[in-house]
Amino acid sequence: DQQVKQNSPSLSVQEGRISILNCDYTNSMFDYFLWYKKYPAEGPTFLISISSIKDKNEDGRFTVFLNKSAKHLSLHIVPSQPGDSAVYFCAATLGNSGGSNYKLTFGKGTLLTVNP
Amino acid sequence: DGGITQSPKYLFRKEGQNVTLSCEQNLNHDAMYWYRQDPGQGLRLIYYSQIVNDFQKGDIAEGYSVSREKKESFPLTVTSAQKNPTAFYLCASSRDGYEQYFGPGTRLTVT
Repeated sequence: DQQVKQNSPSLSVQEGRISILNCDYTNSMFDYFLWYKKYPAEGPTFLISISSIKDKNEDGRFTVFLNKSAKHLSLHIVPSQPGDSAVYFCAATLGNSGGSNYKLTFGKGTLLTVNP
Repeated sequence: DGGITQSPKYLFRKEGQNVTLSCEQNLNHDAMYWYRQDPGQGLRLIYYSQIVNDFQKGDIAEGYSVSREKKESFPLTVTSAQKNPTAFYLCASSRDGYEQYFGPGTRLTVT
């Protein structure tokens, strides 16, 4: 049973445009969410996170939106750059409500390609 | 430079042999993790450890073993009981159980 789902295996956008990566979750106990970026044959790097007490968190070109009622979050990258081309993983954990359970549940990832 | 190191980058073994993957961190993080990545599968948790001398099974622990004798080190042994050991293995650490920081990974090929 996949608790974190990234339904789009791939996404292609033009340089300078907005990239929107989506993530859905089924476990209503999740209340802390993270996005990671991964290049081939490398470890993932942490991008941005959001706790359930917020609906938006912004860091430079990256913004994460959380819709708790829909159990949906999205990562917006504006403007997109060719160096953003990578696999993006959404992850979720039990966070603020009861302290971390020390486990992240990952989606399967979305391959973003930004074309020059 | 603080970080996580995994060695070697590439590892080749014959079927039936046990192999140990190294993971070391100098971030002073209490928690450490092992994941496996297969094409199209995302990251799946093998084992994790919240403190020294303690560890828990993740979602796919069968055929693997770990130890946590030192805070800095969390080696993973892939035993001959693991049916599909060929994969990309990632080690991570975390200060508080939220953000996890990953090493560069080890590509294990078993033939």
